[in-house]
Amino acid sequence: DVKVTQSSRYLVKRTGEKVFLECVQDMDHENMFWYRQDPGLGLRLIYFSYDVKMKEKGDIPEGYSVSREKKERFSLILESASTNQTSMYLCASSPPGQSTGNTIYFGEGSWLTVV
Amino acid sequence: DQQVKQNSPSLSVQEGRISILNCDYTNSMFDYFLWYKKYPAEGPTFLISISSIKDKNEDGRFTVFLNKSAKHLSLHIVPSQPGDSAVYFCAASAKTGANNLFFGTGTRLTVIP
Repeated sequence: DVKVTQSSRYLVKRTGEKVFLECVQDMDHENMFWYRQDPGLGLRLIYFSYDVKMKEKGDIPEGYSVSREKKERFSLILESASTNQTSMYLCASSPPGQSTGNTIYFGEGSWLTVV
Repeated sequence: DQQVKQNSPSLSVQEGRISILNCDYTNSMFDYFLWYKKYPAEGPTFLISISSIKDKNEDGRFTVFLNKSAKHLSLHIVPSQPGDSAVYFCAASAKTGANNLFFGTGTRLTVIP
């Protein structure tokens, strides 16, 4: 069974803290993604990676960075957390190349509250 | 700027009846459309898709209709079951490639037993 695992389900952090959200997939997928989900805004792409050490900005990369040192692991980093980054964060992965959206697999989400 | 819109944040339907979830898009370059289903505390899962060369795709109780001229798609669930209660997201892509997915805001469907 395919699996995308987000290590932290619920986090509470203080403004200005550095935050790491970790994601691991066991499907040997080349592509990995970070989205955030907010009420009334749907899912918005923050960053994606199509290979180890490769990354591209999504629609809302400001205030975030990512790290992909190993194929199975994709980390989202909030360098200095702010209250407007309170959200649900979803990690996803998909096979390489011209994959269609129906092959994208999501993790269960990480609820981040910044106070 | 929201390129994919779901104007109904919620919908309630009686068990056994039809559920119709709607989605509108603005980008005429979109050529592939998908519906995802999301239960609380779980990630979205793929439900059904349609290519722009078709106007209908059916999978069991789920049918997606595409009206390109109106830039509108809809998801029909017949008959609706309590287990269908979830948030449904439509998504669109301008070319095959999951990194180009644009998601709607979601519609929460409640099926009343």
